[in-house]
Amino acid sequence: SYVLTQPPSVSVAPGKTARITCGGNNIGSQGVHWYQQKPGQAPVLVISYDSDRPSGIPERFSGSNSGSTATLTISRVEAGDEADYYCQVWDSSGDHYVFGTGTKVTVL
Amino acid sequence: EVQLVESGGGLVQPGRSLRLSCAASGFTFGDYAMHWVRQAPGKGLEWVSGITWKSGRIDYADSVKGRFTISRDNAKNSLYLQLSSLRVEDTALYYCTKDSMVAAPPGVGYFDYWGQGTLVTVSS
Repeated sequence: SYVLTQPPSVSVAPGKTARITCGGNNIGSQGVHWYQQKPGQAPVLVISYDSDRPSGIPERFSGSNSGSTATLTISRVEAGDEADYYCQVWDSSGDHYVFGTGTKVTVL
Repeated sequence: EVQLVESGGGLVQPGRSLRLSCAASGFTFGDYAMHWVRQAPGKGLEWVSGITWKSGRIDYADSVKGRFTISRDNAKNSLYLQLSSLRVEDTALYYCTKDSMVAAPPGVGYFDYWGQGTLVTVSS
């Protein structure tokens, strides 16, 4: 089955840039979606189709996808960005939706 | 405003059954695929099952295939998940989610709205 691998944790100082990777076999050929989940809350979409930002999501959130790695970038990190982040794709070979392992972002 | 409200969770013994429901409002329910996604305590997200807008296509995660059954009633704006032969590892918060694309086949869209979830605990 298709596996998406994320680093368990990323720590970043306020005002700096956080980069969260999502590794998968030839992931660059697929559309990747990113979700933010704060404690006790349901996930919220922050990036769709690699780099599209839904309305209401700050411009500080951006995405890219190429080769075997997709990346979610959070610029000028704020305390409110502290959350778990998940990447997600559709695995057409298995007819499954797949989530990444998740990354906890800690703002120092 | 899109709202998804799950219900039906609770404490159940291994091997027993449970039926989850999701009441949808704020959009034309019959135009969109719907999904169930679960999250075990302290763990990540796991897609469980999806059903297309007219129930023409149904998919399941391997971990639940043959034990869970997804269905929908477009007249009642409701999504369901029948959980059977429950195992301890099925313990999780079950989210109802809406697909982002109108009348689309699986894999085209993403999960644009989520409910707050209903907790299923499987324990003897």
